Amino acid sequence: GAGVSQSPRYKVAKRGQDVALRCDPISGHVSLFWYQQALGQGPEFLTYFQNEAQLDKSGLPSDRFFAERPEGSVSTLKIQRTQQEDSAVYLCASSLRTGTSGANVLTFGAGSRLTVL
Amino acid sequence: AQSVTQLGSHVSVSEGALVLLRCNYSSSVPPYLFWYVQYPNQGLQLLLKYTTGATLVKGINGFEAEFKKSETSFHLTKPSAHMSDAAEYFCAVRGETSGSRLTFGEGTQLTVNP
Repeated sequence: GAGVSQSPRYKVAKRGQDVALRCDPISGHVSLFWYQQALGQGPEFLTYFQNEAQLDKSGLPSDRFFAERPEGSVSTLKIQRTQQEDSAVYLCASSLRTGTSGANVLTFGAGSRLTVL
Repeated sequence: AQSVTQLGSHVSVSEGALVLLRCNYSSSVPPYLFWYVQYPNQGLQLLLKYTTGATLVKGINGFEAEFKKSETSFHLTKPSAHMSDAAEYFCAVRGETSGSRLTFGEGTQLTVNP
């Protein structure tokens, strides 16, 4: 597709439920990032994939958070036993990997807004 | 370690007035610097970026930013604000490699008054 697609756009979950958020990056983009954006805050890094390899998961806040990208394209962020503090917008971003440059631009999706009641 | 500080969580200007959004960064390596804009219920859109070379960077919608290494700053400006500029603006810094995370500031909400 032309951009990064995320679904669902809005998700309401009861505390304790599991949720799955999907990211469909731009075709051919090797790098994929997940960010969490709490209300009124800047995005915070969660995890990074290069193709199917999860190279950095240091930002995941707890072992209830799990991300995968099994075929190196679509990625899923799963949150188990959701808590109210998990309420946030979850942003996915992707970029080409040309060389090893951090100058590569990240293209963001519109995000998935999770509300935990 | 990298960090970004945006001075002023809310900035209000009149239509036609100068826009100045402040950003200071800290980075242990030469950084790449970005400004993103976020409209309500939308993702982040890149305004401009500094990588190497010319320190005055021009972006979309008439915005520009100047990288000042001595001041560790990357302030965003626009000579004349338009109503459509009302949005949240994020400054971000990134390290050298393609696996480096973007580290964002907390954002500045820009209001443009008629």
